[in-house]
Amino acid sequence: GNSVTQMEGPVTLSEEAFLTINCTYTATGYPSLFWYVQYPGEGLQLLLKATKADDKGSNKGFEATYRKETTSFHLEKGSVQVSDSAVYFCALRSGGSYIPTFGRGTSLIVHP
Amino acid sequence: DGGITQSPKYLFRKEGQNVTLSCEQNLNHDAMYWYRQDPGQGLRLIYYSQIVNDFQKGDIAEGYSVSREKKESFPLTVTSAQKNPTAFYLCASSTAQTGVRVREQYFGPGTRLTVT
Repeated sequence: GNSVTQMEGPVTLSEEAFLTINCTYTATGYPSLFWYVQYPGEGLQLLLKATKADDKGSNKGFEATYRKETTSFHLEKGSVQVSDSAVYFCALRSGGSYIPTFGRGTSLIVHP
Repeated sequence: DGGITQSPKYLFRKEGQNVTLSCEQNLNHDAMYWYRQDPGQGLRLIYYSQIVNDFQKGDIAEGYSVSREKKESFPLTVTSAQKNPTAFYLCASSTAQTGVRVREQYFGPGTRLTVT
């Protein structure tokens, strides 16, 4: 079956630090990959996505590259802000499946 | 603006009472989902529906029920049989069109249910 593994949190950084949140996956077929963000007390929002090998998704300064050879989709940002404090979820969706697979989420805390 | 609405934002109930959470979308999506989220936990799928008048159990359906009488609406009832109903409930939708490769989900703002 499909699975998504994210690094354990919380990840605590100072403002303007470099961020990496690791995500690896196992999947049947050729999945689409996603990062969602959840701010406190809110629902999830799509942050970025990629559909094929070597695709780079990007949004709001965040980037992630679909690495088929390492089955990874690590999230990066060059300079985090306090407003980036949230929980980040990595997810995949295989072929014709209606059900996405989510990781457990990684909490990011950014201090001024 | 298209999107998903959930109401109310906060809901309080006494133990033993059934309660229904509302979810409405105007995105013209065929597929809708209900998730439960507990503090520090990921998402757990309760029910999902691919088309009107059809729905399937997810991983934790016991103690919950749903209906899908309209494309736009997918209400969730938390019954008295649910042992630990206090949680944050999220509704989501996505397109179910064949040939559409990228099918991201769109989420509502959530309903926080507290049962005492």
